[in-house]
Amino acid sequence: DAGITQSPRHKVTETGTPVTLRCHQTENHRYMYWYRQDPGHGLRLIHYSYGVKDTDKGEVSDGYSVSRSKTEDFLLTLESATSSQTSVYFCAISEEQIEAFFGQGTRLTVV
Amino acid sequence: GDSVTQMEGPVTLSEEAFLTINCTYTATGYPSLFWYVQYPGEGLQLLLKATKADDKGSNKGFEATYRKETTSFHLEKGSVQVSDSAVYFCALTQQGGGNKLTFGTGTQLKVEL
Repeated sequence: DAGITQSPRHKVTETGTPVTLRCHQTENHRYMYWYRQDPGHGLRLIHYSYGVKDTDKGEVSDGYSVSRSKTEDFLLTLESATSSQTSVYFCAISEEQIEAFFGQGTRLTVV
Repeated sequence: GDSVTQMEGPVTLSEEAFLTINCTYTATGYPSLFWYVQYPGEGLQLLLKATKADDKGSNKGFEATYRKETTSFHLEKGSVQVSDSAVYFCALTQQGGGNKLTFGTGTQLKVEL
């Protein structure tokens, strides 16, 4: 299995609070991604990174920010959580010509 | 933009039945196509892939052929097992696009004895 660790695995938070999810890789892959999974939508890209401090928006980036200060870590922050951000969040990593590997997911509930 | 459409689920089959899950795509250029599988409570795992037209991806008895003329990448298996019960996602990525994946909505497969 690819070395990807997401933390926390489960979180319940209140509306309006900030939340940070962490993705850590041990594969030294260049690309890292955050997706969210919702019924009827499959997985949708939130943000991605193509190198340290190089990030870009995905399809559903509103309300989310990311940071990548080291190759191995990619953080997803919800500045002020809303109920619509209740979801399962997946981190993925890849390299050129190599398929993406996914983490185990973080189940976030905003109450 | 790019999009992937796959058949609605859930699909319920008896063990040893033939499986087809349809997937069609809309994309410019020559995307690479993938099937990912998600077992309960887990992340996604790559099942198979095809990177150019007429390529056939195969793994664990599953097969899919990249058909550019019909923009399709249907997943097939000749004889399913209970252990194949999972959610299957069709996806594509564009070359030079940073390997960003565009997913279909997923098809849940349940195989019964």
